[in-house]
Amino acid sequence: DAKTTQPNSMESNEEEPVHLPCNHSTISGTDYIHWYRQLPSQGPEYVIHGLTSNVNNRMASLAIAEDRKSSTLILHRATLRDAAVYYCILHFYGSSNTGKLIFGQGTTLQVKP
Amino acid sequence: DGGITQSPKYLFRKEGQNVTLSCEQNLNHDAMYWYRQDPGQGLRLIYYSQIVNDFQKGDIAEGYSVSREKKESFPLTVTSAQKNPTAFYLCASSIRGQGEEKLFFGSGTQLSVL
Repeated sequence: DAKTTQPNSMESNEEEPVHLPCNHSTISGTDYIHWYRQLPSQGPEYVIHGLTSNVNNRMASLAIAEDRKSSTLILHRATLRDAAVYYCILHFYGSSNTGKLIFGQGTTLQVKP
Repeated sequence: DGGITQSPKYLFRKEGQNVTLSCEQNLNHDAMYWYRQDPGQGLRLIYYSQIVNDFQKGDIAEGYSVSREKKESFPLTVTSAQKNPTAFYLCASSIRGQGEEKLFFGSGTQLSVL
């Protein structure tokens, strides 16, 4: 199964951009790249996802490398409410693994005021 | 409001006891999932189901059982065979379980052993 690798932790200053990297060198052609974030004692919250092209939504942007072996979640202006654990996940879509998501360790983002 | 409801929020298990965690969704989603999270760790998949009366084992299914008799319900039983059940359990759902869909998570159940 394809896995993702993320840094354990990152720090950012409030109102500055944050780039959260993720490596997924064994990604398959039909795997979608998802990002979720989790606050303490809560369920994860969807942030963004993509397949090949860069994606933007109101929460963040997702930059996907041309070879798809890595991606970067971009928070354009970090706020204190963005402090959370961020998970980069591959969502399998294939005959044997349809519907199965694999979560890694995640990156703990600290935002300093 | 549509969403996923997990109950109870906190649950205590005695040695040798089976306990069942409830997960209900009113989103009309076909796919449902159970994850386990240990302190400071990521989520690990226990079971998932893409259709009523069908489910597949995830990475850590031993000591757990599930049923999917109704579309909106996916209860998880932690059996006495699970020797280290203390963890945060999360239920999730998606429309059909396909790669482009996002998951919706419940607020979790914290299970502890007495």
